[in-house]
Amino acid sequence: EPEVTQTPSHQVTQMGQEVILRCVPISNHLYFYWYRQILGQKVEFLVSFYNNEISEKSEIFDDQFSVERPDGSNFTLKIRSTKLEDSAMYFCASSPLSGPLHFGNGTRLTVT
Amino acid sequence: EDQVTQSPEALRLQEGESSSLNCSYTVSGLRGLFWYRQDPGKGPEFLFTLYSAGEEKEKERLKATLTKKESFLHITAPKPEDSATYLCAVRSNDYKLSFGAGTTVTVRA
Repeated sequence: EPEVTQTPSHQVTQMGQEVILRCVPISNHLYFYWYRQILGQKVEFLVSFYNNEISEKSEIFDDQFSVERPDGSNFTLKIRSTKLEDSAMYFCASSPLSGPLHFGNGTRLTVT
Repeated sequence: EDQVTQSPEALRLQEGESSSLNCSYTVSGLRGLFWYRQDPGKGPEFLFTLYSAGEEKEKERLKATLTKKESFLHITAPKPEDSATYLCAVRSNDYKLSFGAGTTVTVRA
């Protein structure tokens, strides 16, 4: 069964550094998403992406965040200048035109 | 804004002891209610989608039902491998799911 894959599984970075989280969505899906989950808290929506542009973003997704689909298969989340409070699990998801989101197993980001 | 509230926060069951999880929601125009299972350190795994009141879906020991204000996930005769956090989410437009905080289920042998 096709699945969403994310790399790396764990990223450690110093405060102020830039990080890029990578995702390969399911190939025939049209919508792409980033969510995050701070330890012990709920899964929170960051951004959705459709037809090569952002379709919706949350208040969390401020100017330090950006998303890109650089080619036909990858979907990336960039955090320009990481803060301690950015430490979380970041989940990529994709979905067809209608139907459920399918999630990857996440990247654990630790900012020190 | 979409609101999703799950109860209880945690549920400890003996193997074979059936129970139900609740998800109450407030949304402007429901375009789907979704149940996911999440194991520690993993991403949410899709279980069910419900679209309209009265709809029911089943998979092995799990059954999901939907009314106009809430959804229930019934676990019948659970086994230890059913231990996980169960997440409820709603969609009110094309672009995102809003999640509840989840119910962590522990099934003891």
